[in-house]
Parts: sequence; C-alpha cells; structure tokens
Amino acid sequence: IAGITQAPTSQILAAGRRMTLRCTQDMRHNAMYWYRQDLGLGLRLIHYSNTAGTTGKGEVPDGYSVSRANTDDFPLTLASAVPSQTSVYFCASSAGGPQDTQYFGPGTRLTVL
Amino acid sequence: GQNIDQPTEMTATEGAIVQINCTYQTSGFNGLFWYQQHAGEAPTFLSYNVLDGLEEKGRFSSFLSRSKGYSYLLLKELQMKDSASYLCAVADSNYQLIWGAGTKLIIKP
Repeated sequence: IAGITQAPTSQILAAGRRMTLRCTQDMRHNAMYWYRQDLGLGLRLIHYSNTAGTTGKGEVPDGYSVSRANTDDFPLTLASAVPSQTSVYFCASSAGGPQDTQYFGPGTRLTVL
Repeated sequence: GQNIDQPTEMTATEGAIVQINCTYQTSGFNGLFWYQQHAGEAPTFLSYNVLDGLEEKGRFSSFLSRSKGYSYLLLKELQMKDSASYLCAVADSNYQLIWGAGTKLIIKP
C-alpha cells in the first residue's frame, strides 16, 4: 500500500509557466488537502476537497486551482507561476471526520525563478 | 484572527524529558493535533486531544486545557531519533486545521 504519492519530487520552473502538481491516494479517503510549507511559517491550506466532485478554498488559494474528478486524485495547478510560489507543497488526505488523522504525501519542492 | 504559538527551537539531552508547549486562539475548537516532522520529510501524526486532560502513548504524552487554550507534548526517555520538528494544529469551527510554525527539537548526546 503506497498511501499518498506526489509527483514530481522537485521542480524548477520559470516564472509565467503553468505547472500541475499531482497527488494520488489509495486509502479511499473522502477528504484531500493541499498545503504549502515555508520556513518560519506553519502549514498553510491552499485548497481542500471534502469528497469527490467538490472543492473549497483554504487560507491562501490565490494563483492556484484544483479539481477532484474522482476519489483518488487531487491535482494542484499553478496557472502562471510567480517566485512567491516557491515552497514545499504537501498533499494530505483523511477519512473526513473532524477527528480523523491527516496523512501526508512526501511533498514537492518547487522553485520558481 | 487565529493564532497558534509554540517555541521556535528547544534543546534537550538524550535520555531526558522535554515539554513542548502550544497556545492557541481560534474561531471554534474541534480538537488539537500534534505531528512530528523530520527534516525533509512529511509530517506524521502523533496525538489528538479533544477533551481536557492527559493522553499517554508510550514515551509521548499530550495534555489539553481548553479553558486556557493550552496544550503540551511531553517526550520521555529522549532518543536521538526524536530530533525533529513538532507541529501543533487546531481544528477550528469549520474543521480546518490551523497550524503552528513548529518547534524544532535538538537532542544532544
């Protein structure tokens, strides 16, 4: 059982380019999340999905979009990357209840130049 | 606004005990989580508290006081592998997790 996988592991991207970060889980979890983690700051929620077919905005959604066509996949797209989007991006999933543990993928380290 | 405070860094000695504190101010409260994150890796779940009191799980214990907006993580019999960042997170009224910046714990021999 892989749990949650993310791709790519790392990426260097020119500003203005479009980029999609992939996230797949095999735990049949209802809820999925995208966070960014920057030095000195806590994890910040970008977008979330409580169930397939629905998405919601988190704390820092600007410049990012997501889709949830099925239970397993939750891609994050940067339409036109900017240097301030340089960060480590974590995808997570949970069964969906308020007390349910969030399980994290290994992360994608993105550098926008 | 919503706020989670924890110390930036702590140092402790192998075999000793360390307490990592977390204070919070959030819009609503639906539980408090502690996660461990080794450098360059993903966070992993340690504990969940929703009622006041102490939850013990092996060498790790977590305490919650809702009236004081306070929690701590207690690590006993410290091992070198416990060197990591410890993240405090609170589930708010919308059940979204609000995360602290994390406490980097350095263990010295």
